[in-house]
Amino acid sequence: GQQVMQIPQYQHVQEGEDFTTYCNSSTTLSNIQWYKQRPGGHPVFLIQLVKSGEVKKQKRLTFQFGEAKKNSSLHITATQTTDVGTYFCAGPLSGSARQLTFGSGTQLTVLP
Amino acid sequence: DTGVSQDPRHKITKRGQNVTFRCDPISEHNRLYWYRQTLGQGPEFLTYFQNEAQLEKSRLLSDRFSAERPKGSFSTLEIQRTEQGDSAMYLCASSLPPGQTLSYEQYFGPGTRLTVT
Repeated sequence: GQQVMQIPQYQHVQEGEDFTTYCNSSTTLSNIQWYKQRPGGHPVFLIQLVKSGEVKKQKRLTFQFGEAKKNSSLHITATQTTDVGTYFCAGPLSGSARQLTFGSGTQLTVLP
Repeated sequence: DTGVSQDPRHKITKRGQNVTFRCDPISEHNRLYWYRQTLGQGPEFLTYFQNEAQLEKSRLLSDRFSAERPKGSFSTLEIQRTEQGDSAMYLCASSLPPGQTLSYEQYFGPGTRLTVT
């Protein structure tokens, strides 16, 4: 079945360093979404990418959708302690209108 | 607070018992989703409603699980004859009706943590 994989599983960075998480799907995706989940919290929607090669920025966060629409990345510039949490990518299940398949997430720790 | 709410926040039950969780979506959202999340994993889709109609259900979902949304507002998720493997966080999410701006954005509730002993 469809799989969405994320690497790395864990990442520890010093505050001020950059961070990147990568998401790969076994199938072509019509779109990809990114969510952030703080420790003890619930997932919070960050962004959706739809077009091949699309790049979107939100302040220090840069999201990219691959040309083949099978991979995506999230890059955070100059991390802050408020960036701590787990970042998930999610793509729609093939043939489904609404089922999202989530990756297993990258847990980011920012050391002050 | 106008966000998604879930009740109870925590539930401890013995194996074999039935449990029911409630989700109240954001009022103008007609789409409602249930997910299950275990430690170290992303949310796993369970089922989806548009208004009162249950439109999609995960093929992996056991028939011990049933969900309803009788009036198109709140929803309940029932697990019958609970097993230890059902221990997880059960998340509810809602989104705007199709065709509206940002209708793809899902707003998650705080979840119900189920522990089956």
